[in-house]
Amino acid sequence: GEDVEQSLFLSVREGDSSVINCTYTDSSSTYLYWYKQEPGAGLQLLTYIFSNMDMKQDQRLTVLLNKKDKHLSLRIADTQTGDSAIYFCAESIDDYKLSFGAGTTVTVRA
Amino acid sequence: DGGITQSPKYLFRKEGQNVTLSCEQNLNHDAMYWYRQDPGQGLRLIYYSQIVNDFQKGDIAEGYSVSREKKESFPLTVTSAQKNPTAFYLCASSIMFGRGTEAFFGQGTRLTVV
Repeated sequence: GEDVEQSLFLSVREGDSSVINCTYTDSSSTYLYWYKQEPGAGLQLLTYIFSNMDMKQDQRLTVLLNKKDKHLSLRIADTQTGDSAIYFCAESIDDYKLSFGAGTTVTVRA
Repeated sequence: DGGITQSPKYLFRKEGQNVTLSCEQNLNHDAMYWYRQDPGQGLRLIYYSQIVNDFQKGDIAEGYSVSREKKESFPLTVTSAQKNPTAFYLCASSIMFGRGTEAFFGQGTRLTVV
């Protein structure tokens, strides 16, 4: 099964906040990532958080990490139509790979 | 501009044929990776390479092969042994091998078997 789990779909109204949730399994993960994929394109790193942090904020993006529950979330403030995309949560596994969730498709409606 | 280039963007293959997907990077990265993406699934690692002339199998290497003769290039061959090759393939690179390093992705190649 998946090491990283995410809900598959999220619909949000333009201007509202989006919250994308993720759970992971490897308690030794030192870095957790959020990637964005626009249609037909590769993945773009949005932000990452080191495991000794609880929160990281970068402009409209806020990442929250709950290590006890192995829960990661990404909040996008003031969601815009350009934020419509697939968002992947990923954790570092061993020393050689990222383990990705299935991705959350975010649809922004007017 | 520095980046990763995958070609072609779209590729059609007849059943029973081998096909090679190109991945070139000019970021001077040591580590390179190939992932496969299927709808509703996360990315799955096919092969990775830490350094020139070295590569290792990932989680789903069966039916695929790679080479790393140059630092800049990491081509992936999808062989006829791959039973379900239709997918979106993503190449990535990172400055070094290991945790905490940002992976840069190419734009992907969509392979369709006809």
